[in-house]
Amino acid sequence: NAGVTQTPKFQVLKTGQSMTLQCAQDMNHEYMSWYRQDPGMGLRLIHYSVGAGITDQGEVPNGYNVSRSTTEDFPLRLLSAAPSQTSVYFCASNQGNVGTDTQYFGPGTRLTVL
Amino acid sequence: DAKTTQPPSMDCAEGRAANLPCNHSTISGNEYVYWYRQIHSQGPQYIIHGLKNNETNEMASLIITEDRKSSTLILPHATLRDTAVYYCIVRVRPDKLIFGTGTRLQVFP
Repeated sequence: NAGVTQTPKFQVLKTGQSMTLQCAQDMNHEYMSWYRQDPGMGLRLIHYSVGAGITDQGEVPNGYNVSRSTTEDFPLRLLSAAPSQTSVYFCASNQGNVGTDTQYFGPGTRLTVL
Repeated sequence: DAKTTQPPSMDCAEGRAANLPCNHSTISGNEYVYWYRQIHSQGPQYIIHGLKNNETNEMASLIITEDRKSSTLILPHATLRDTAVYYCIVRVRPDKLIFGTGTRLQVFP
């Protein structure tokens, strides 16, 4: 199993550009999530999905869109990049059973917006 | 979700036990205590979790007080590779984890 994979590893954007961060998992997990981590901070939830076709907002959803057309993939779209979106982005997946499952995290995408 | 409080940083000598405390005084009866760690800027790595009883796995032990208002993560023989930020998380929902700022553990030779 590759686990949770993310592409790209690094990205530099100019203000106003759009892009999609890719996330895929091969563990057949129903739940997938996107977090961002700013320097010196813990992770904050952007959006999450509890299954194909179902998504919901987390703590910091503004400026981001998601969709979940398959169980495996959960892309994150930045509509119009802003310097405040400079951060490290982590994707995670889990089975969905509190007490018996854990969230598995990808390696992250480091995004800089100029 | 209940809030957790952790010391911002701790040191530990290599080979000694590292004991990382966490307060979660508002925890509810059905909320689990999870521990993750993050080495450099890698993705967080699951360590251990528990509800009431003490738990042990190949990485660590988790001691939860009887009133469940605090817990301690124990790394029995810390190595340099255990230098990381450790997050204590109280979890009730299957769809998300609420991260605080964690404890930065520095293991020194």
